[in-house]
Amino acid sequence: AQSVTQPDIHITVSEGASLELRCNYSYGATPYLFWYVQSPGQGLQLLLKYFSGDTLVQGIKGFEAEFKRSQSSFNLRKPSVHWSDAAEYFCAVGAGYGGSQGNLIFGKGTKLSVKP
Amino acid sequence: KAGVTQTPRYLIKTRGQQVTLSCSPISGHRSVSWYQQTPGQGLQFLFEYFSETQRNKGNFPGRFSGRQFSNSRSEMNVSTLELGDSALYLCASTRDRGQEEKLFFGSGTQLSVL
Repeated sequence: AQSVTQPDIHITVSEGASLELRCNYSYGATPYLFWYVQSPGQGLQLLLKYFSGDTLVQGIKGFEAEFKRSQSSFNLRKPSVHWSDAAEYFCAVGAGYGGSQGNLIFGKGTKLSVKP
Repeated sequence: KAGVTQTPRYLIKTRGQQVTLSCSPISGHRSVSWYQQTPGQGLQFLFEYFSETQRNKGNFPGRFSGRQFSNSRSEMNVSTLELGDSALYLCASTRDRGQEEKLFFGSGTQLSVL
């Protein structure tokens, strides 16, 4: 069965420090992978996605993620964190039947706190 | 261009009641998906509608149902509410059904069951 694991429930980093959020997935075929961010009381916003091709993908707000098939990982990185990055981050794999992105399997999320 | 609109924003019900949540997708979007978000289970897929037809369904009991209208607006209904149904219900829309499509989420309806 498809699944997504985000090992870190909560991470605290200092403003200006680098960030890496971990994501491991279990999926039988070539996965469609996503990172979303959710601010308190809000819906989810897509940061970036990987479908195929270059394994290093760039997203919005200065985020990037690297797909490593051998490790079944899709870690999210940012070289310098800003206070406004404090939020909850979700990794997801597309499980849609017939190619639909509407059906995603999400990890449990990693809450990011940023120290001034 | 307006985003995905969910109404109401907050809802309080008691056990045994039923509830209907509404979602208006972005104009021109034909696919609507629903998710349940709880602290314990996280985000779980409920169902997906495209052109008024349910295309995918998650692993939820039959008390959870939905529909989509010809204008792509969608409603989900939960009958015989249980305490465990307390959650943030998120709706998302895409223009079409392909994997290349970007999913846009609404801010959700926070349902509390007392």
